[in-house]
Amino acid sequence: EAGVAQSPRYKIIEKRQSVAFWCNPISGHATLYWYQQILGQGPKLLIQFQNNGVVDDSQLPKDRFSAERLKGVDSTLKIQPAKLEDSAVYLCASSYQSGFGELFFGEGSRLTVL
Amino acid sequence: AQSVTQLGSHVSVSEGALVLLRCNYSSSVPPYLFWYVQYPNQGLQLLLKYTTGATLVKGINGFEAEFKKSETSFHLTKPSAHMSDAAEYFCAVSEGAGSYQLTFGKGTKLSVIP
Repeated sequence: EAGVAQSPRYKIIEKRQSVAFWCNPISGHATLYWYQQILGQGPKLLIQFQNNGVVDDSQLPKDRFSAERLKGVDSTLKIQPAKLEDSAVYLCASSYQSGFGELFFGEGSRLTVL
Repeated sequence: AQSVTQLGSHVSVSEGALVLLRCNYSSSVPPYLFWYVQYPNQGLQLLLKYTTGATLVKGINGFEAEFKKSETSFHLTKPSAHMSDAAEYFCAVSEGAGSYQLTFGKGTKLSVIP
């Protein structure tokens, strides 16, 4: 079974530039999450999708971050314009709809903002 | 709101020694509890989980954890550390069945000394 795929693995940009991350969840997983992991901290939930609808985006900085999940499968997370404090690893995870919080994580996309 | 506290951001043990990583949680409802492991430049992988039933749960790679409601704890243990156990470990909580969101602790980095 293929795991959660993310790209790019690494991205370096200057502040005020834009960046996009892509995630392809495990086939059949209805729920998709984007987490932000800043160095030295645990992952923090940015947004949760159930199929192609947003369940929770309360911690997503909507003035600069946006996310979509097309047709309930792939998802894209965009940051525009980026700030220095956005430097982090962006983790995508997916789960079965009936899963007891068991998430399957991708390897992450490491963003460095200069 | 739920929260997780992991005591000790860094723990060092000798190879063959007992591993003990501490986790305390707060939750307004009976929680589901998880331990995830993260190897360098990789995503998070589930080690074990507690949902209901037996309070001592066994996971992969010889790890186990015990849910103690009276102490609001879910400490992770392994009788004998191996070099391959060196990684970062995250405790996480979700608010029971029907909640697919995890709140993570800040993580504990485990070093194993030969």
